[in-house]
Amino acid sequence: DGGITQSPKYLFRKEGQNVTLSCEQNLNHDAMYWYRQDPGQGLRLIYYSQIVNDFQKGDIAEGYSVSREKKESFPLTVTSAQKNPTAFYLCASSPRGAGGRETQYFGPGTRLLVL
Amino acid sequence: GQNIDQPTEMTATEGAIVQINCTYQTSGFNGLFWYQQHAGEAPTFLSYNVLDGLEEKGRFSSFLSRSKGYSYLLLKELQMKDSASYLCAVRARNAGNMLTFGGGTRLMVKP
Repeated sequence: DGGITQSPKYLFRKEGQNVTLSCEQNLNHDAMYWYRQDPGQGLRLIYYSQIVNDFQKGDIAEGYSVSREKKESFPLTVTSAQKNPTAFYLCASSPRGAGGRETQYFGPGTRLLVL
Repeated sequence: GQNIDQPTEMTATEGAIVQINCTYQTSGFNGLFWYQQHAGEAPTFLSYNVLDGLEEKGRFSSFLSRSKGYSYLLLKELQMKDSASYLCAVRARNAGNMLTFGGGTRLMVKP
């Protein structure tokens, strides 16, 4: 049963703490993405990766870091430098090339809350 | 760069028809997508347009005019479960499957 999984569903962060959000896919997609969504807002791109061992900053990368050591995995770390991390975080994957209606597919999301 | 606009909120009545508009500006167009997102859940793919015209899929249809930079999503025979946010997203040429999303339109269906 192919898909994208994210864990945990809810995550709490204390002041000054780094936290890591997991994203795994078994769709054999080359490209993976991280988005942030604030209440009542659209999706803003944090980081993306078109291929293993390579990633690029999106529109709001400050205070975040990523790695792409395996095709299936694209973890996101929210560092202490991110002063307003409370949001809904969505991971997505897609084929690398633009192929008609083949597009991004999303995981269930992680809601990050600051204590 | 790209710019995508859609209304923030809409309200409609159960059983009615509603049209959600999306206008976009892009330097090179390679497809427009509509996603549905229920509160607290992931967006799910609804429709895709790359050529001008109407794509129909059950109760949902999507229209595209590339010359006008305009799309709409049409929902017929509205049901309470259609209450959700609807996201318009544009794919640019030479950008793989990168998407730029609009702010989303929150649709409330009332009895």
